[in-house]
Amino acid sequence: EPEVTQTPSHQVTQMGQEVILRCVPISNHLYFYWYRQILGQKVEFLVSFYNNEISEKSEIFDDQFSVERPDGSNFTLKIRSTKLEDSAMYFCASRAGGPSEQFFGPGTRLTVL
Amino acid sequence: GENVEQHPSTLSVQEGDSAVIKCTYSDSASNYFPWYKQELGKGPQLIIDIRSNVGEKKDQRIAVTLNKTAKHFSLHITETQPEDSAVYFCAASKTGGSYIPTFGRGTSLIVHP
Repeated sequence: EPEVTQTPSHQVTQMGQEVILRCVPISNHLYFYWYRQILGQKVEFLVSFYNNEISEKSEIFDDQFSVERPDGSNFTLKIRSTKLEDSAMYFCASRAGGPSEQFFGPGTRLTVL
Repeated sequence: GENVEQHPSTLSVQEGDSAVIKCTYSDSASNYFPWYKQELGKGPQLIIDIRSNVGEKKDQRIAVTLNKTAKHFSLHITETQPEDSAVYFCAASKTGGSYIPTFGRGTSLIVHP
């Protein structure tokens, strides 16, 4: 069964460093998403991506964040200068077109020290 | 924007009992209500969803009900089993466009054998 994959599973970084979180969505899907979940809290939407551009983003997704689909298979989330409060689990998701469900990846746990 | 409240935050039941998780939403334009199960170390997985044109949907031991007037929706699990133990999230979204769900805070369901 096709699935969304994410790497790495755990990333530890120093405050102020740049990180790139990687996702491989399901191959025939058209919509791509990033969410974050701070420990013990709800899953929060960051950004959606369709047709090679951002379609929607939340207030959390400020200038420190960017997304890219560099090669038609990977979907990346970059945080330019990490802060302590960026520590969270980051989930990638993808969806086929039309009224279809989102499939989530297993997440990357980001720890900012 | 949409706000989803979910109760209880923790639910402990004996194997074979039923479990009910309740959610409310604020945006009357929301018309799609998915429920996700998140097991330890994994991303959320869709287990059932309901659209606003129906009041109830059932899939084996899982059922969802929706009251559009009161803006309530609930997840019912019958004959619970230890493998049902997980965190369950309700969500609300609008169909069309990016289908971005607003999540509840989650319910940690513990099924004791």
